Amino acid sequence: EIVLTQSPGTLSLSPGERATLSCRASQSVTSAYLGWLQQKPGQAPRLLIYGASSRATGIPDRFSGSGSGTDFTLTISRLEPEDLAVYYCQQYGSSPLTFGGGTKVEIK
Amino acid sequence: EVQLLESGGGLIQPGGSLRLSCAASGFAFSAYAMSWVRQAPGKGLEWVSTISGSGGMTYSADSMKGRFTISRDNSKNTLYLQMISLSAEDTAVFYCAKRQESCDGGNCGAFDSWGQGTLVAVSS
Repeated sequence: EIVLTQSPGTLSLSPGERATLSCRASQSVTSAYLGWLQQKPGQAPRLLIYGASSRATGIPDRFSGSGSGTDFTLTISRLEPEDLAVYYCQQYGSSPLTFGGGTKVEIK
Repeated sequence: EVQLLESGGGLIQPGGSLRLSCAASGFAFSAYAMSWVRQAPGKGLEWVSTISGSGGMTYSADSMKGRFTISRDNSKNTLYLQMISLSAEDTAVFYCAKRQESCDGGNCGAFDSWGQGTLVAVSS
């Protein structure tokens, strides 16, 4: 089983600042089958990034993904108040599919 | 517009059974794999099971094999999850999610659309 470890656990930043979220895998993620999901309070998750770096439909370009192998990053270039959420990385290349524990982004 | 609407959740006693449904619309249902994901109160996301577009292949988390069975009726555009022998540890919101691919010939792709979830509460 691929274990995904996200850091930091919580990120507290001001609007306009840059957020960098990390996801480290216990073994290489097959063919960059790595996604990032956003879950706002009381809502279902939403796909932001798939294939490590491709933005999903309708996702603003301030969200970007990068990385390969075992180290992946989600960057929010300029935080906006509506970005308050928990962000999860997920690998869907190897069974069992697994999720990271999440990074909570707080807006100061 | 893709819409996924889960139903069938509720309060169930330990040892009981429940069948969840997910009604899909806005896309060619049989062309895409579907999955169930659950989230215990205040916790993270946990993959439960996946079924290919044709329904011919299914995959499940080891901890739920034998108790949870995923199925689909492509004539009704509906996904199901049959759950038996439920315990308090199964208390969670269950989400259905559409995958990017059919899964019949390879990887199923990312989870690109999600329903709003249905709460399953197991308690006496």
